[in-house]
Amino acid sequence: DAKTTQPPSMDCAEGRAANLPCNHSTISGNEYVYWYRQIHSQGPQYIIHGLKNNETNEMASLIITEDRKSSTLILPHATLRDTAVYYCIVRRTTNAGKSTFGDGTTLTVKP
Amino acid sequence: EPEVTQTPSHQVTQMGQEVILRCVPISNHLYFYWYRQILGQKVEFLVSFYNNEISEKSEIFDDQFSVERPDGSNFTLKIRSTKLEDSAMYFCASSESGFSYNEQFFGPGTRLTVL
Repeated sequence: DAKTTQPPSMDCAEGRAANLPCNHSTISGNEYVYWYRQIHSQGPQYIIHGLKNNETNEMASLIITEDRKSSTLILPHATLRDTAVYYCIVRRTTNAGKSTFGDGTTLTVKP
Repeated sequence: EPEVTQTPSHQVTQMGQEVILRCVPISNHLYFYWYRQILGQKVEFLVSFYNNEISEKSEIFDDQFSVERPDGSNFTLKIRSTKLEDSAMYFCASSESGFSYNEQFFGPGTRLTVL
């Protein structure tokens, strides 16, 4: 599986945009980038995924660089409830499709 | 919105006992997974399951573990003889397919405590 690198922690002010970077320089051409988050010990929550185009949904935006070696998850207006561990995952294109979690980024949203 | 459910939320057992953790995946999903997370550590893949067969398993998933889809809705993880180091959160997940363009949805987890 392609390895991902994320900063261990980030802070963000409430109401501001949170920009979480991820490096995945060994990604293969048909592997998708996924973002999940985990609040306390709850189950990982799916946020967004993409292949090469930028994506947006009701939770977040995903910006993938043209060479696909890195991506940024954007939470446009962070709230205190967005405090969580955010995981960037590259999933293999196989018929098993497991997710390999790293250490993620602990995002702390501050009032 | 459809969601993955898991029971029980917390299971306490004695070392050497058998436990069965239960999951109800999202109804139209075909691929099922178990992951675990030891306190303070990463989420780790255990096994994936499709068409009543194991598709892939990790080194953690040894002979003490087994999975089953006993009926059309439940997906279970059995640990035959629990060890102290099996204490962890166990997460079930499901997806429409195993291909990476289909997202996996995770359940809330079962906290297993082995005494």
